[in-house]
Amino acid sequence: AQKVTQAQTEISVVEKEDVTLDCVYETRDTTYYLFWYKQPPSGELVFLIRRNSFDEQNEISGRYSWNFQKSTSSFNFTITASQVVDSAVYFCALSEYSSASKIIFGSGTRLSIRP
Amino acid sequence: EAGVTQSPTHLIKTRGQQATLRCSPISGHTSVYWYQQALGLGLQFLLWYDEGEERNRGNFPPRFSGRQFPNYSSELNVNALELEDSALYLCASSLGRLAGGPNEQFFGPGTRLTVL
Repeated sequence: AQKVTQAQTEISVVEKEDVTLDCVYETRDTTYYLFWYKQPPSGELVFLIRRNSFDEQNEISGRYSWNFQKSTSSFNFTITASQVVDSAVYFCALSEYSSASKIIFGSGTRLSIRP
Repeated sequence: EAGVTQSPTHLIKTRGQQATLRCSPISGHTSVYWYQQALGLGLQFLLWYDEGEERNRGNFPPRFSGRQFPNYSSELNVNALELEDSALYLCASSLGRLAGGPNEQFFGPGTRLTVL
């Protein structure tokens, strides 16, 4: 069975601090995909990144970086030098290749950046 | 390029009524997904349509149904509404299953359904 756990329900940091959002997943498939989505107060989910299970290379995109470690089944997301506009709910998600595009989302982490 | 659109933005119904929600995918996308985001329950997968057929279904009762039209737009129908159906319903689209995947899904702004 596939499962995504985001243990941090809420995080609050002061602007310019670095913050890491944790994501731990469970799957029996050898081929799977991991995603991060951002949901700002407007409600619309914004796609951030997709990684497949064969690519463990970490990725950096501006102030965002992702650390994928299969050994610990984790796909953590770090925001460097956080800004108020980063305030949102962030969802980690998993899709097993065998489950035909069904995406299972974690419960989300609400990130608040204080000025 | 236009994103995923959903209508209506808000919908208010009473218990027992039927609700119809609509979604238009990004041009070129053949897959449409429906999710329910109820308060405190996160995002729950409802339905996946691709090339006009239902490909996968989440753990929801049969009164949640839908369809996909030849132009790949989709409708979600909820019959015999219950109070707990009140939620934000999100539609997403992606390239179809034949494009390999799972592909990243792009979400619409959602329809907020309130059942009184």
